[in-house]
Amino acid sequence: EAQVTQNPRYLITVTGKKLTVTCSQNMNHEYMSWYRQDPGLGLRQIYYSMNVEVTDKGDVPEGYKVSRKEKRNFPLILESPSPNQTSLYFCAAGTSGIYNEQFFGPGTRLTVL
Amino acid sequence: KQEVTQIPAALSVPEGENLVLNCSFTDSAIYNLQWFRQDPGKGLTSLLLIQSSQREQTSGRLNASLDKSSGRSTLYIAASQPGDSATYLCACPGRTTDSWGKFQFGAGTQVVVTP
Repeated sequence: EAQVTQNPRYLITVTGKKLTVTCSQNMNHEYMSWYRQDPGLGLRQIYYSMNVEVTDKGDVPEGYKVSRKEKRNFPLILESPSPNQTSLYFCAAGTSGIYNEQFFGPGTRLTVL
Repeated sequence: KQEVTQIPAALSVPEGENLVLNCSFTDSAIYNLQWFRQDPGKGLTSLLLIQSSQREQTSGRLNASLDKSSGRSTLYIAASQPGDSATYLCACPGRTTDSWGKFQFGAGTQVVVTP
């Protein structure tokens, strides 16, 4: 079954404690992306990757890091999480090029205390 | 920067009625537009992708149209059912070669279909 998986699905942590949210896809898609979703602000793109070793900033990259060392994985790293990063995070994978169709993971609900 | 707007923010219809959901975008030079469904607390499910060369796309009871000149896409859901209750979002990518991967989402239309 074609899917995008994220781990963990739920996480409660404290300010400043580094964490990584993993994202993996089994569709062999070149494109992957991270979003955060907040009430009243909608879905906002954090980072995206057009291919292995190619990443670029979305609209809200501050406080996040990503890496794309292999095609199937695109982890999101919060080096020093803060309470304003409490959010619902989604990873997506998609076909490349100008007709890219995105497929989303189930989401990770992060709470930073 | 592309801006995507969805009006209304919420919609309630009785079962059996046709649903009409609107998505407006400011830059008409889009490459494609994708419609999604999101259930509360869940991920997004892709419904339809319309490429810029297409005027409409159909899947079962769903039909999406695209009018680039007016900056509008419409999602029609025929004969609505309570199971269609969800939030519907539209999204489109950037229009330049260095921004194809950058997506802008509308805020969504929350739909309730009452039995």
